Amino acid sequence: KNQVEQSPQSLIILEGKNCTLQCNYTVSPFSNLRWYKQDTGRGPVSLTIMTFSENTKSNGRYTATLDADTKQSSLHITASQLSDSASYICVVNGATNKLIFGTGTLLAVQP
Amino acid sequence: NAGVTQTPKFRVLKTGQSMTLLCAQDMNHEYMYWYRQDPGMGLRLIHYSVGEGTTAKGEVPDGYNVSRLKKQNFLLGLESAAPSQTSVYFCATTGMATEAFFGQGTRLTVV
Repeated sequence: KNQVEQSPQSLIILEGKNCTLQCNYTVSPFSNLRWYKQDTGRGPVSLTIMTFSENTKSNGRYTATLDADTKQSSLHITASQLSDSASYICVVNGATNKLIFGTGTLLAVQP
Repeated sequence: NAGVTQTPKFRVLKTGQSMTLLCAQDMNHEYMYWYRQDPGMGLRLIHYSVGEGTTAKGEVPDGYNVSRLKKQNFLLGLESAAPSQTSVYFCATTGMATEAFFGQGTRLTVV
């Protein structure tokens, strides 16, 4: 069964600290992997999208990595800000452009 | 979330009532999706469409119907609402290997 699992489920960090979120997937075939940020009460917004051949991609303070061999991805947030408090969702695009969502990691950044 | 508009944003239904959620996109994307998001679960695909006049079942299609009569619109219908359909519904659109754009969501409560 195609699945996307994320860890941790929730995370609390202090403002200015770094953190890393994990994503493991079993989706096959694989087209691309995306990380989304979802603020409370809003729709998800794309952070990065990586294809099979890409190992890392950055978007400001967000850096995503992908290991297609082990089917693992991570999202690293540098110098966290209060506005980073949100749910971060790993999404894998499998066959026929169907997006398979992880359950997300809820990040809280405290002052 | 510019480009994807969902209506309505909030709705309360009585059990057995029917309603239609509208998703409109102005990005000329072929692919459109309807998801539901429940606490502790990732977004789950209800139905999707790969182009005008086409629809297909997703992961949780029971109790819902869809139509894509025009490329820019994707309608989600509930013929006889049930409390289990209380959820937040998101519409999304994407091109192949490009980021997905989500609407702001529709919060539906069935009492």
